Amino acid sequence: DVKVTQSSRYLVKRTGEKVFLECVQDMDHENMFWYRQDPGLGLRLIYFSYDVKMKEKGDIPEGYSVSREKKERFSLILESASTNQTSMYLCASSTGHLGNTIYFGEGSWLTVV
Amino acid sequence: GESVGLHLPTLSVQEGDNSIINCAYSNSASDYFIWYKQESGKGPQFIIDIRSNMDKRQGQRVTVLLNKTVKHLSLQIAATQPGDSAVYFCAELEYGNKLVFGAGTILRVKS
Repeated sequence: DVKVTQSSRYLVKRTGEKVFLECVQDMDHENMFWYRQDPGLGLRLIYFSYDVKMKEKGDIPEGYSVSREKKERFSLILESASTNQTSMYLCASSTGHLGNTIYFGEGSWLTVV
Repeated sequence: GESVGLHLPTLSVQEGDNSIINCAYSNSASDYFIWYKQESGKGPQFIIDIRSNMDKRQGQRVTVLLNKTVKHLSLQIAATQPGDSAVYFCAELEYGNKLVFGAGTILRVKS
């Protein structure tokens, strides 16, 4: 089975802190994604990556950055957390073939106080 | 595109009945669509997919219908069970592997 693992399920951080959300996949997938999920808004794409050291902005990249130093790991970074970044963050991965299924992790609940 | 507002549409069905969940997508150039199921506290799980060269695809107890003329997608669940209670999202594939999600529909199954 494909496994996408998000290391932190629940975090509470203070405004202005730097936050790292880590994601690891074990299926040698080329593509990795970070989404945030808010009530009534569905999943919104923050950043994605097609390959190591490559990144593309999604629909809501402001306030976030990402790092893909290794194929299996995709990190989401909040340089200075703000209360409006309180959300559930979902990591996902897929192979490079068009139309292949995207697999999700279990999510990281971040609260910024 | 995004939905506005804080309340997801909710579909309540009796156990054993069939469920139909609808979704409108935005990009006529999208050529691949997926339905996901998300249970409380978990990430979305793949249910079924369909390519734009098809108008119907069947899985186990689920059927997806695609109407490209009106940019509409539906998920039909036969003999709905309590374990089907979840939020269901449709997603369209844009620009390679970028998935764009709908806001979701809550399915509640009454026993």
